[in-house]
Amino acid sequence: KQEVTQIPAALSVPEGENLVLNCSFTDSAIYNLQWFRQDPGKGLTSLLLIQSSQREQTSGRLNASLDKSSGRSTLYIAASQPGDSATYLCAVSGNTPLVFGKGTRLSVIA
Amino acid sequence: NAGVTQTPKFQVLKTGQSMTLQCAQDMNHEYMSWYRQDPGMGLRLIHYSVGAGITDQGEVPNGYNVSRSTTEDFPLRLLSAAPSQTSVYFCASSSPQMAGNEQFFGPGTRLTVL
Repeated sequence: KQEVTQIPAALSVPEGENLVLNCSFTDSAIYNLQWFRQDPGKGLTSLLLIQSSQREQTSGRLNASLDKSSGRSTLYIAASQPGDSATYLCAVSGNTPLVFGKGTRLSVIA
Repeated sequence: NAGVTQTPKFQVLKTGQSMTLQCAQDMNHEYMSWYRQDPGMGLRLIHYSVGAGITDQGEVPNGYNVSRSTTEDFPLRLLSAAPSQTSVYFCASSSPQMAGNEQFFGPGTRLTVL
């Protein structure tokens, strides 16, 4: 059974810092990996999708990497801003739809 | 293009009542899924469908029923609501024809069972 773990569970950083969120998964037979953002009481916004054949994807200040063989992904956020404060969720798909990690709650302090 | 829509946004039920959560998408996506999100548990898959007339169980299917008679709609039925079904429910859709089969989520339904 696929399991997804996100470390740390919570993170607080000062504005302007670069930071890395970690995601690991137990079964490397994945089809893709998605990173989502969720604001309190809101739905999920897709940030980046990495297909199993890809190593990384970039969107603005966000960069996500994927190492299938080691079962790891990282989300790098450059020059963090207070508006980046949210919960970040990692999810992988394989034979079934997405299996989610429990998320990392990020606070960026001005 | 409305994307994935869910109704209602909020619902309060009494134990034993039944109801249907509605989900619709206008992107002609083949795949649709239902998840529930609980504090400390993350999002868990309830049921999913890979096309009209085809459904399958996810991780937590008990107490829920689904059917998929059209490509656009994927309703989730609570047969006899229990307090343990208090949760936020999200519907998602995707297409394997699109690169990466990216999933798109609806805004969610917040359900409370008393």
